[in-house]
Amino acid sequence: AQRVTQPEKLLSVFKGAPVELKCNYSYSGSPELFWYVQYSRQRLQLLLRHISRESIKGFTADLNKGETSFHLKKPFAQEEDSAMYYCALKWPAGNKLTFGGGTRVLVKP
Amino acid sequence: DTGVSQNPRHKITKRGQNVTFRCDPISEHNRLYWYRQTLGQGPEFLTYFQNEAQLEKSRLLSDRFSAERPKGSFSTLEIQRTEQGDSAMYLCASSTRRGRPGNTIYFGEGSWLTVV
Repeated sequence: AQRVTQPEKLLSVFKGAPVELKCNYSYSGSPELFWYVQYSRQRLQLLLRHISRESIKGFTADLNKGETSFHLKKPFAQEEDSAMYYCALKWPAGNKLTFGGGTRVLVKP
Repeated sequence: DTGVSQNPRHKITKRGQNVTFRCDPISEHNRLYWYRQTLGQGPEFLTYFQNEAQLEKSRLLSDRFSAERPKGSFSTLEIQRTEQGDSAMYLCASSTRRGRPGNTIYFGEGSWLTVV
Protein backbone atom coordinates (compact mmCIF):
# COMPACT_ATOMS: atom_id res chain seq x y z
CA ALA A 1 0.00 0.00 0.00
CA GLN A 2 1.10 3.53 -0.69
CA ARG A 3 2.23 5.25 2.48
CA VAL A 4 3.97 8.45 3.52
CA THR A 5 5.81 8.59 6.83
CA GLN A 6 7.01 11.66 8.65
CA PRO A 7 8.81 10.32 11.71
CA GLU A 8 9.10 13.60 13.60
CA LYS A 9 5.97 15.13 15.08
CA LEU A 10 7.83 18.19 16.33
CA LEU A 11 11.06 19.89 15.36
CA SER A 12 12.28 22.75 17.49
CA VAL A 13 15.24 24.77 16.24
CA PHE A 14 16.78 28.14 16.89
CA LYS A 15 16.62 30.92 14.34
CA GLY A 16 19.51 30.65 11.92
CA ALA A 17 20.01 26.93 12.52
CA PRO A 18 19.51 24.35 9.77
CA VAL A 19 16.31 22.38 9.72
CA GLU A 20 15.55 19.08 8.01
CA LEU A 21 12.14 17.44 7.92
CA LYS A 22 12.17 13.77 7.04
CA CYS A 23 9.73 12.11 4.69
CA ASN A 24 9.79 8.51 3.55
CA TYR A 25 7.34 6.93 1.18
CA SER A 26 6.37 3.51 -0.04
CA TYR A 27 5.04 3.35 -3.56
CA SER A 28 5.50 0.87 -6.34
CA GLY A 29 5.34 3.27 -9.26
CA SER A 30 7.04 6.53 -10.20
CA PRO A 31 6.20 8.88 -7.39
CA GLU A 32 5.29 12.53 -7.58
CA LEU A 33 5.99 14.13 -4.23
CA PHE A 34 5.06 17.41 -2.63
CA TRP A 35 5.56 19.39 0.52
CA TYR A 36 2.56 21.32 1.80
CA VAL A 37 2.71 23.89 4.60
CA GLN A 38 0.06 25.22 6.92
CA TYR A 39 0.82 28.42 8.79
CA SER A 40 -1.17 29.33 11.87
CA ARG A 41 -4.80 30.09 10.98
CA GLN A 42 -4.16 29.66 7.26
CA ARG A 43 -5.14 27.02 4.75
CA LEU A 44 -2.95 24.20 3.59
CA GLN A 45 -0.82 25.41 0.69
CA LEU A 46 1.73 23.94 -1.65
CA LEU A 47 5.33 24.69 -0.71
CA LEU A 48 7.18 22.78 -3.38
CA ARG A 49 7.07 19.72 -5.63
CA HIS A 50 9.90 17.44 -6.59
CA ILE A 51 9.49 17.74 -10.34
CA SER A 52 10.14 21.47 -10.24
CA ARG A 53 13.46 21.07 -8.44
CA GLU A 54 12.93 24.56 -7.12
CA SER A 55 13.79 26.40 -3.94
CA ILE A 56 10.87 28.09 -2.25
CA LYS A 57 11.38 30.37 0.75
CA GLY A 58 14.86 28.88 1.05
CA PHE A 59 13.53 25.32 1.27
CA THR A 60 14.69 22.52 -1.00
CA ALA A 61 13.78 18.86 -1.21
CA ASP A 62 15.48 16.11 -3.15
CA LEU A 63 13.80 12.92 -4.22
CA ASN A 64 15.99 9.92 -3.40
CA LYS A 65 14.42 6.90 -5.05
CA GLY A 66 17.00 4.53 -3.60
CA GLU A 67 16.13 5.53 -0.05
CA THR A 68 12.49 6.33 -0.95
CA SER A 69 12.86 9.67 0.76
CA PHE A 70 11.92 13.28 0.06
CA HIS A 71 13.40 15.23 2.94
CA LEU A 72 12.82 18.98 3.21
CA LYS A 73 15.75 21.17 4.15
CA LYS A 74 16.54 24.77 4.89
CA PRO A 75 20.02 25.90 5.86
CA PHE A 76 18.98 28.86 8.01
CA ALA A 77 15.57 28.67 9.66
CA GLN A 78 13.55 31.84 10.23
CA GLU A 79 10.83 32.48 12.80
CA GLU A 80 8.26 32.78 10.02
CA ASP A 81 9.00 29.16 9.07
CA SER A 82 7.14 28.01 12.16
CA ALA A 83 4.26 25.96 10.79
CA MET A 84 2.93 22.46 10.14
CA TYR A 85 4.57 20.72 7.22
CA TYR A 86 3.05 17.78 5.36
CA CYS A 87 4.73 15.54 2.87
CA ALA A 88 2.39 14.16 0.23
CA LEU A 89 2.51 11.62 -2.57
CA LYS A 90 0.33 11.93 -5.63
CA TRP A 91 -1.34 8.93 -7.18
CA PRO A 92 -1.05 8.93 -10.97
CA ALA A 93 -4.74 8.24 -11.50
CA GLY A 94 -7.17 10.81 -10.22
CA ASN A 95 -4.64 13.22 -8.81
CA LYS A 96 -5.43 12.41 -5.19
CA LEU A 97 -2.81 12.88 -2.51
CA THR A 98 -1.66 10.63 0.30
CA PHE A 99 -0.34 12.69 3.20
CA GLY A 100 2.08 11.99 5.97
CA GLY A 101 1.12 12.74 9.55
CA GLY A 102 2.82 16.11 9.53
CA THR A 103 5.73 17.72 11.35
CA ARG A 104 5.32 20.83 13.43
CA VAL A 105 8.31 23.16 13.13
CA LEU A 106 8.94 25.67 15.85
CA VAL A 107 11.68 28.21 15.23
CA LYS A 108 12.77 29.90 18.41
CA PRO A 109 14.31 33.38 18.46
CA ASP B 1 -10.25 35.85 -2.20
CA THR B 2 -10.84 33.63 -5.21
CA GLY B 3 -9.61 30.47 -3.55
CA VAL B 4 -11.58 27.40 -2.55
CA SER B 5 -14.43 28.43 -0.29
CA GLN B 6 -16.08 26.23 2.33
CA ASN B 7 -19.02 26.76 4.63
CA PRO B 8 -19.92 26.57 7.34
CA ARG B 9 -16.49 26.96 8.84
CA HIS B 10 -17.62 25.44 12.12
CA LYS B 11 -20.50 23.17 12.97
CA ILE B 12 -21.47 21.69 16.32
CA THR B 13 -24.17 19.09 16.14
CA LYS B 14 -25.76 16.49 18.35
CA ARG B 15 -25.09 12.84 17.71
CA GLY B 16 -27.62 11.43 15.30
CA GLN B 17 -28.27 14.67 13.44
CA ASN B 18 -27.48 15.23 9.78
CA VAL B 19 -25.00 17.86 8.62
CA THR B 20 -24.13 19.24 5.22
CA PHE B 21 -21.01 21.08 4.12
CA ARG B 22 -20.63 23.08 0.96
CA CYS B 23 -17.54 23.67 -1.14
CA ASP B 24 -17.09 26.20 -3.93
CA PRO B 25 -13.95 25.37 -5.91
CA ILE B 26 -11.76 27.79 -7.77
CA SER B 27 -13.57 28.91 -10.89
CA GLU B 28 -13.00 26.61 -13.87
CA HIS B 29 -11.35 23.91 -11.79
CA ASN B 30 -12.98 20.73 -12.98
CA ARG B 31 -11.57 18.44 -10.28
CA LEU B 32 -12.85 18.60 -6.73
CA TYR B 33 -11.76 16.58 -3.71
CA TRP B 34 -12.92 16.02 -0.18
CA TYR B 35 -10.48 15.12 2.59
CA ARG B 36 -10.90 14.56 6.30
CA GLN B 37 -8.35 15.55 8.92
CA THR B 38 -8.38 14.60 12.57
CA LEU B 39 -6.16 16.11 15.25
CA GLY B 40 -2.54 15.12 14.91
CA GLN B 41 -3.02 13.49 11.52
CA GLY B 42 -2.53 14.49 7.95
CA PRO B 43 -5.51 14.87 5.61
CA GLU B 44 -7.08 11.62 4.39
CA PHE B 45 -8.72 11.31 1.00
CA LEU B 46 -12.48 10.78 0.98
CA THR B 47 -13.73 11.29 -2.55
CA TYR B 48 -13.03 12.95 -5.89
CA PHE B 49 -15.10 14.47 -8.69
CA GLN B 50 -14.21 15.30 -12.22
CA ASN B 51 -16.88 17.73 -13.33
CA GLU B 52 -20.13 16.23 -12.00
CA ALA B 53 -18.92 12.63 -12.01
CA GLN B 54 -17.82 11.10 -8.72
CA LEU B 55 -14.91 8.99 -9.88
CA GLU B 56 -13.51 7.61 -6.67
CA LYS B 57 -14.58 7.02 -3.09
CA SER B 58 -12.39 5.98 -0.19
CA ARG B 59 -13.30 3.12 2.11
CA LEU B 60 -13.40 5.83 4.79
CA LEU B 61 -16.61 7.08 3.18
CA SER B 62 -19.23 4.98 4.91
CA ASP B 63 -22.84 4.70 3.77
CA ARG B 64 -23.72 7.62 6.03
CA PHE B 65 -21.61 9.93 3.88
CA SER B 66 -22.72 11.22 0.53
CA ALA B 67 -21.13 13.77 -1.72
CA GLU B 68 -22.58 15.46 -4.77
CA ARG B 69 -21.50 17.90 -7.40
CA PRO B 70 -24.69 18.27 -9.44
CA LYS B 71 -23.62 20.86 -11.99
CA GLY B 72 -19.92 20.33 -11.91
CA SER B 73 -19.37 23.49 -9.90
CA PHE B 74 -19.98 23.52 -6.14
CA SER B 75 -20.12 20.33 -4.10
CA THR B 76 -21.88 19.22 -0.94
CA LEU B 77 -20.82 16.62 1.59
CA GLU B 78 -23.62 15.28 3.76
CA ILE B 79 -23.15 13.15 6.85
CA GLN B 80 -26.27 11.40 8.08
CA ARG B 81 -26.81 10.17 11.64
CA THR B 82 -23.59 11.74 12.83
CA GLU B 83 -21.40 9.90 15.32
CA GLN B 84 -18.76 11.27 17.66
CA GLY B 85 -16.10 9.66 15.49
CA ASP B 86 -17.13 11.95 12.66
CA SER B 87 -15.69 14.91 14.54
CA ALA B 88 -12.95 16.22 12.28
CA MET B 89 -11.96 18.93 9.85
CA TYR B 90 -13.46 18.36 6.40
CA LEU B 91 -11.27 19.84 3.71
CA CYS B 92 -12.25 20.57 0.15
CA ALA B 93 -9.72 21.03 -2.63
CA SER B 94 -9.77 21.64 -6.35
CA SER B 95 -7.48 21.44 -9.34
CA THR B 96 -7.47 21.66 -13.10
CA ARG B 97 -7.01 18.76 -15.43
CA ARG B 98 -4.42 20.26 -17.69
CA GLY B 99 -0.76 20.72 -17.02
CA ARG B 100 0.14 17.30 -15.77
CA PRO B 101 2.53 16.60 -14.17
CA GLY B 102 2.67 19.30 -11.58
CA ASN B 103 -1.06 19.92 -11.33
CA THR B 104 -1.47 21.93 -8.15
CA ILE B 105 -4.24 20.99 -5.76
CA TYR B 106 -5.58 24.00 -3.86
CA PHE B 107 -7.23 23.57 -0.49
CA GLY B 108 -9.99 25.43 1.26
CA GLU B 109 -9.84 26.50 4.89
CA GLY B 110 -11.90 23.53 5.97
CA SER B 111 -15.09 22.95 7.91
CA TRP B 112 -14.74 21.89 11.52
CA LEU B 113 -17.32 19.40 12.71
CA THR B 114 -17.84 18.64 16.38
CA VAL B 115 -20.36 15.96 17.26
CA VAL B 116 -21.50 16.09 20.89
